[in-house]
Amino acid sequence: KAGVTQTPRYLIKTRGQQVTLSCSPISGHRSVSWYQQTPGQGLQFLFEYFSETQRNKGNFPGRFSGRQFSNSRSEMNVSTLELGDSALYLCASRFDRGPDGYTFGSGTRLTVV
Amino acid sequence: QKEVEQNSGPLSVPEGAIASLNCTYSDRGSQSFFWYRQYSGKSPELIMFIYSNGDKEDGRFTAQLNKASQYVSLLIRDSQPSDSATYLCASIGGGTSYGKLTFGQGTILTVHP
Repeated sequence: KAGVTQTPRYLIKTRGQQVTLSCSPISGHRSVSWYQQTPGQGLQFLFEYFSETQRNKGNFPGRFSGRQFSNSRSEMNVSTLELGDSALYLCASRFDRGPDGYTFGSGTRLTVV
Repeated sequence: QKEVEQNSGPLSVPEGAIASLNCTYSDRGSQSFFWYRQYSGKSPELIMFIYSNGDKEDGRFTAQLNKASQYVSLLIRDSQPSDSATYLCASIGGGTSYGKLTFGQGTILTVHP
């Protein structure tokens, strides 16, 4: 079955712009979470959605937002981009509760110039 | 104190040897634990998850969990050069932390022929 699909794979934006990243989870998976990965901070949790509701949120400024649609697809948005937002943004999905882990997509590499 | 800490690397082992990766966690409410492997330039790939005290084996991989000591480990037997990657330990909590994966900083493993 198809894995977690993230688009676009690469993105270059200018400071001050905004960006929207998309994630299609594995079919049947209802929980979608987003992570930021940088060399200095590692993998950091942004937020998690389930049934179109944000269930958990990490310690990121309000410029970072997300949403989930009825088909479980999710988007995250970053407004007023800063140089420090340059990172690999990873989406992950799983069915819901239970011990099994999240499956990650290939990520979107965002570069802010 | 970081919530999830991994033994400092990098770790280098000869081909055929056992690689031992260790992780400690601070949140006693953590319910499940995961080991992800990440090749350079790729997204994390789930290797194993464990939620009960004791050992869990899957092929060349064995995960061990000791909740009293708040300790998780991953053993890789008969290490191969293809095992060379960054290994990430992660936990998932209960209650309000449910759905949030907390990652360690990763341990770089190199298996040399």
